[in-house]
Amino acid sequence: GAVVSQHPSRVICKSGTSVKIECRSLDFQATTMFWYRQFPKQSLMLMATSNEGSKATYEQGVEKDKFLINHASLTLSTLTVTSAHPEDSSFYICSARAAAGRAYNEQFFGPGTRLTVL
Amino acid sequence: AQKVTQAQTEISVVEKEDVTLDCVYETRDTTYYLFWYKQPPSGELVFLIRRNSFDEQNEISGRYSWNFQKSTSSFNFTITASQVVDSAVYFCALSEDGQNFVFGPGTRLSVLP
Repeated sequence: GAVVSQHPSRVICKSGTSVKIECRSLDFQATTMFWYRQFPKQSLMLMATSNEGSKATYEQGVEKDKFLINHASLTLSTLTVTSAHPEDSSFYICSARAAAGRAYNEQFFGPGTRLTVL
Repeated sequence: AQKVTQAQTEISVVEKEDVTLDCVYETRDTTYYLFWYKQPPSGELVFLIRRNSFDEQNEISGRYSWNFQKSTSSFNFTITASQVVDSAVYFCALSEDGQNFVFGPGTRLSVLP
């Protein structure tokens, strides 16, 4: 099946620093990628929808200036958590929607990135 | 509005028991998709099944089976002869357009040896 990778898999940073998380579709092109956040023992909540070549669409309550999303190519979307604080500590999961091919329109999830802000 | 309810927060069973995880959904659309994912302790979501709203056939895959009933807006998941490796959090999800997912709160399944 289609593969989505995330890098890094886990990151620990100090409060106030910025952290960039990459989401790549390895064997398919994805015009749309999604970013989810999952707090401990909770469900996945959609943060934003990232469209290649255009601005991301953020869900209500998600600060676009804090969570910068860039979808510069058909295989890469990045999420930058700016000025991270301990309350941003969470598990961030991306997903990518296949733009063509056998898996057209199916969505594939990345393995997640665990962010810990000290 | 879309909503997914998984009423069972946690379930514990002993190995080899059968267990059913409940999922009830709400949607105004007549066309939608339902999913089940497994999330083991590693965190990575494992895709289990996708079902569209026009296909009410029940499905069996090995020890897993799914019962989709539109009349009760339910999409329940049964594991037969559970194993310790089945221990995980299981999420039911709904998508009206195949893109935006709404996840249920999840059910944590513990299978004890």
